[in-house]
Amino acid sequence: KAGVTQTPRYLIKTRGQQVTLSCSPISGHRSVSWYQQTPGQGLQFLFEYFSETQRNKGNFPGRFSGRQFSNSRSEMNVSTLELGDSALYLCASSLNLDPPRGYTFGSGTRLTIV
Amino acid sequence: DQQVKQNSPSLSVQEGRISILNCDYTNSMFDYFLWYKKYPAEGPTFLISISSIKDKNEDGRFTVFLNKSAKHLSLHIVPSQPGDSAVYFCAATPPGENQGGKLIFGQGTELSVKP
Repeated sequence: KAGVTQTPRYLIKTRGQQVTLSCSPISGHRSVSWYQQTPGQGLQFLFEYFSETQRNKGNFPGRFSGRQFSNSRSEMNVSTLELGDSALYLCASSLNLDPPRGYTFGSGTRLTIV
Repeated sequence: DQQVKQNSPSLSVQEGRISILNCDYTNSMFDYFLWYKKYPAEGPTFLISISSIKDKNEDGRFTVFLNKSAKHLSLHIVPSQPGDSAVYFCAATPPGENQGGKLIFGQGTELSVKP
């Protein structure tokens, strides 16, 4: 079956712009989580959506937002981009709270802010 | 506040030998612990997990040990193969009803298996 698909794979933006990243989960998975990976901070949890509702949120400023559609696809948006937002953004999907089998990650979107 | 720590940024092992990757945590209330493997330009891949009520879980060449009193877990890979060369992350699931989808990751350990 198809894995978690993230688009685009690479993106270059300038400071002050906004960006939207997309994530299509594995078919049947209703939970989608987003993570930011940077060399300094490692992998950090942004937020999680389940059935179009945000169930959990990490410690990021309000410039980071997301949403989930009825088909479970999710988008995250970052407004007023800063240089420090340069990172690999990963999404992960799961059936529900299913930690024993882990979450399935996509390959990520590499966002570079110039 | 780094709740999950991997103190070794890198590890080099000879092919066929055992690789031992370590992870320490501070929150005794974590429910599950997971190990992920990550290749460059790819997302992390789930390897193995262990419930906080267990002390060992085995899957093929991979075994995870949990020492709750020491707040320490380790991943053993036996025998190590060159294809195991990757960055390994340990992660934990925080307790609580509203923690869905959230994993707390360590900083990762880069494993290099030499032929």
